[in-house]
Formats: sequence, C-alpha cells, structure tokens
Amino acid sequence: GAVVSQHPSRVICKSGTSVKIECRSLDFQATTMFWYRQFPKQSLMLMATSNEGSKATYEQGVEKDKFLINHASLTLSTLTVTSAHPEDSSFYICAWRDRINSPLHFGNGTRLTVT
Amino acid sequence: AQKITQTQPGMFVQEKEAVTLDCTYDTSDPSYGLFWYKQPSSGEMIFLIYQGSYDQQNATEGRYSLNFQKARKSANLVISASQLGDSAMYFCAMREGLVEYGNKLVFGAGTILRVKS
Repeated sequence: GAVVSQHPSRVICKSGTSVKIECRSLDFQATTMFWYRQFPKQSLMLMATSNEGSKATYEQGVEKDKFLINHASLTLSTLTVTSAHPEDSSFYICAWRDRINSPLHFGNGTRLTVT
Repeated sequence: AQKITQTQPGMFVQEKEAVTLDCTYDTSDPSYGLFWYKQPSSGEMIFLIYQGSYDQQNATEGRYSLNFQKARKSANLVISASQLGDSAMYFCAMREGLVEYGNKLVFGAGTILRVKS
C-alpha cells in the first residue's frame, strides 16, 4: 500500500519560532495533498489542499501567511507554522490520495507543542 | 450544517461481541464516498472501509462491514467479534462530488470505542 512519511513526529518549540513539518510519499506520486489539524479529543479539520506546482487552497479561517505550504514536487509537501503561539499546539497530519477513488493515505502526524 | 454526524461520543463493547458505530451524512450531491478510519492512541489514521454512493452492495472488509442505508443517509460501521486491539477512536468521513484527486474528506466528530475483556 501507499506509504507516507511525516516528520518530525513530535516537536516542542518556543513561542515566536517557526516549525517545518515534512510529508513525503515513499512509493507513489500524487499531485494533491491535504493538511489536517486535530485538537485533543476532537475531529480532523482540513486546513488546506495543496497541488504540486501551484498555490495551496486554504479553508475558511485558516491563515495562509501563518501556515505556509510548499508542494514543490510530486513526493514532498511541507507545512511551516510561522511565529508559533501556544494556541497552535495541535496534532498536524498530512494525507495523500495516490489514485482516483482511493482512500486518503495519512502520515503518522506531528504533535506540536508551543511553549 | 454538519456534513457528517456521529452521535455516539463513546461506546463500550464486550470482547468477541459485535458493535455498531453510527454515522449519518448530509449531501445533495448524488456522487459521494463514505469512509471509516480508525485512530489508535498513537495518532495514526488507519483506513478501514469505503462505500461509494452508487455501490449496490454494502462494503465488507474482514471483520468490518458498512451498513449503508442510502435513503436514510446513514453509513454505520459494524465491527464483528471485537478484539481488545479495536479500542480506538473511529471516524466517519465523506467525500462529495465526482471522483477526483482533489476532493477533500470531511470528518465526523468521532466515536471512542472501548473493548472490555
């Protein structure tokens, strides 16, 4: 099955710093990736959809200047949380779809804690 | 309006028994897909089962089956012969529209399942 590698799995950073999360597909290529955020004991909320080589589409209420998405290749997408604040502490998880009508393949997620 | 509704915040089931996790959805699009994912405490999302809106038969995958009632807009997950390892959060999700790469998934609030020995 499709394998997605996401790292780091956990990161603790100080308020005001930036954190980059990488998501890489290991055995397939896909043009579209989704970034989700999950607060404790809550559901996954879609933040943005990114397409290779073009700008990401952000969901309503998600600040595009704060959550920078780069999707430069068919196998790598990055999410950078800029000027992180404690309220950005959350579980961030990426997902790919490798072919039409397939389920999303998720990375293992990144637990971000901003102190 | 909620697209996906999971009304059971938490469920208990005795080991080896069957359990049904409820999911109702709301869409006016005739073409959609319904998914169930399992999320253990480690956080990974594990795909369990898929049902397309045009599928004539209910989907089954091993111990998982999907009770798809289109007229009632429900897509309940049935887990048979529960195991301790089934304890996790379960999410129902829907993809609307024609099948394309870019169609996003919308998730329900989830149901925490606890299997008792």
